[in-house]
Amino acid sequence: AQSVAQPEDQVNVAEGNPLTVKCTYSVSGNPYLFWYVQYPNRGLQFLLKYITGDNLVKGSYGFEAEFNKSQTSFHLKKPSALVSDSALYFCAVRDLTDSWGKLQFGAGTQVVVTP
Amino acid sequence: GAVVSQHPSWVICKSGTSVKIECRSLDFQATTMFWYRQFPKQSLMLMATSNEGSKATYEQGVEKDKFLINHASLTLSTLTVTSAHPEDSSFYICSARTRGDNQPQHFGDGTRLSIL
Repeated sequence: AQSVAQPEDQVNVAEGNPLTVKCTYSVSGNPYLFWYVQYPNRGLQFLLKYITGDNLVKGSYGFEAEFNKSQTSFHLKKPSALVSDSALYFCAVRDLTDSWGKLQFGAGTQVVVTP
Repeated sequence: GAVVSQHPSWVICKSGTSVKIECRSLDFQATTMFWYRQFPKQSLMLMATSNEGSKATYEQGVEKDKFLINHASLTLSTLTVTSAHPEDSSFYICSARTRGDNQPQHFGDGTRLSIL
């Protein structure tokens, strides 16, 4: 079965500093990995995905993620965090046993960026 | 592109009422739509998967007679919470995706349901 783990419930970072949100995955076969962001009382916004190809994936709002097969990780990064990046971030993996594109979500990581 | 509209955004109603939530893909054809429930500060819990023109597939533990799902067209799916009770109060989110292995799900803005 596919699964993802987000080991940190919360990440605190000062504005302008680099931001990293960790995600590790467990899959049988090649992973399809996604990052989403959720602002309060809103749905999830798609940030980026890794399917195949370059290990460094660039996404929306200046975010990028690095796929590392040996460490089974897909950490989300941003070189310089903004206060407006404060939100709940979810890592997800495609359930390859499901033909309709079902996702397995991590527990989420709350990012708090302080001025 | 890939906009999903969910309506209403907020519903407050009395116990015993049935509530319908709509999920529309505005600029793409949604071959598959998903319905989630989210509790405060928790991850999303998948309730069901719906495919256009066919019956929804419910996750274990989700009552299909309680949560009626209709995916009548490639742009619209509805979730009806029948005879809602206070324990049904939650944040309900839909998502939609088009065909293709690498296509992401695109999410609506959610519906906050409060049953008095």
